[in-house]
Amino acid sequence: NAGVTQTPKFQVLKTGQSMTLQCAQDMNHNSMYWYRQDPGMGLRLIYYSASEGTTDKGEVPNGYNVSRLNKREFSLRLESAAPSQTSVYFCASSEGLRPQHFGDGTRLSIL
Amino acid sequence: KNEVEQSPQNLTAQEGEFITINCSYSVGISALHWLQQHPGGGIVSLFMLSSGKKKHGRLIATINIQEKHSSLHITASHPRDSAVYICAVRSNAGGTSYGKLTFGQGTILTVHP
Repeated sequence: NAGVTQTPKFQVLKTGQSMTLQCAQDMNHNSMYWYRQDPGMGLRLIYYSASEGTTDKGEVPNGYNVSRLNKREFSLRLESAAPSQTSVYFCASSEGLRPQHFGDGTRLSIL
Repeated sequence: KNEVEQSPQNLTAQEGEFITINCSYSVGISALHWLQQHPGGGIVSLFMLSSGKKKHGRLIATINIQEKHSSLHITASHPRDSAVYICAVRSNAGGTSYGKLTFGQGTILTVHP
């Protein structure tokens, strides 16, 4: 029962480096989401994919790109990391309007 | 002003106490969610409500659509209930079919033995 799997769990980057956060779900959900969580703030939506083949911007998309590789996988890319992108990143998936299932998160620090 | 406001931001209780966490929202919604985030970071869904009341074990969630308010109650609290509790709403605007949510900042609950 893997649910939503995120990799890596931790990462430290230098300013300007790029990296991709991976997310995969095994529940056959159509919709997938990427959030960031910062101290004192609620989860904020970066990008989402309502179904395979579609992606849309959320509340805070600047500095990020996404790819919905197939129904299972939804990746988040930082092309040129900035200290302001230091955060905990969560991937989630859902089917229709049912509750979302979350991954365990990726702690990303950018120096 | 945030669309979803939770109170209190921090809550400390003694084991056995009855706990209430409040959530107010300013938009029309089709559903409200309560989630739990443990110190390890994982987030799990506790309830999804569109009206009335739901109960699961010692947890009870209520919603008043007219007043745009929901409460999460924990009866006979236990140290293992220590976690961040998050309220989230799904807007009824736009008629979208995906589950896009707006989150509150969370309430940090600590229950002491």
